[in-house]
Amino acid sequence: AQSVAQPEDQVNVAEGNPLTVKCTYSVSGNPYLFWYVQYPNRGLQFLLKYITGDNLVKGSYGFEAEFNKSQTSFHLKKPSALVSDSALYFCAVRPYGGSQGNLIFGKGTKLSVKP
Amino acid sequence: GAGVSQSPSNKVTEKGKDVELRCDPISGHTALYWYRQSLGQGLEFLIYFQGNSAPDKSGLPSDRFSAERTGGSVSTLTIQRTQQEDSAVYLCASLGQNNYGYTFGSGTRLTVV
Repeated sequence: AQSVAQPEDQVNVAEGNPLTVKCTYSVSGNPYLFWYVQYPNRGLQFLLKYITGDNLVKGSYGFEAEFNKSQTSFHLKKPSALVSDSALYFCAVRPYGGSQGNLIFGKGTKLSVKP
Repeated sequence: GAGVSQSPSNKVTEKGKDVELRCDPISGHTALYWYRQSLGQGLEFLIYFQGNSAPDKSGLPSDRFSAERTGGSVSTLTIQRTQQEDSAVYLCASLGQNNYGYTFGSGTRLTVV
């Protein structure tokens, strides 16, 4: 079965420190990969995507993610965390050519950045 | 419109009642998705509309759930005879021609009491 795993329910980081939110996937073919962020009582906001090309993709708010095909991972990173980065982060995969464009989501990781 | 609009933003209903949730996608977006987000869970795919094709209903959890998309634009998700386990945030997303940039609405928080 195709799936996305975010192994950490919560990640705690001190402001100014680097952060990593992990994501691994199990899908057939060459997937499209996405990260979304959800602030309290808000919808999901797009952060970044990997479709093809350079494995390191840069997105909104200073976030970046690295596609690693051999490890089937797409970890989200930021060199220096801000308190305002505290939110719920979702990794999502669209299997290449897969079921009419549906996204498969991970369960989300709550990021808490303390001052 | 500029974004995906969902209404109502909050809905409290009694168990057994029917509810309708509305999604107004970005103008010109051909694909529209409904997802459900339950407390502590990820996003669960419900249904997907693409242009004039038959919708992909594979994610609907029971026959109490249905959705339609009139005129290729606005979509309505209907839940009949609501149950407490239907309580969740229902999110709508639309997708443009480039097939990458899913845009989500702010969701409808449904509470069944």
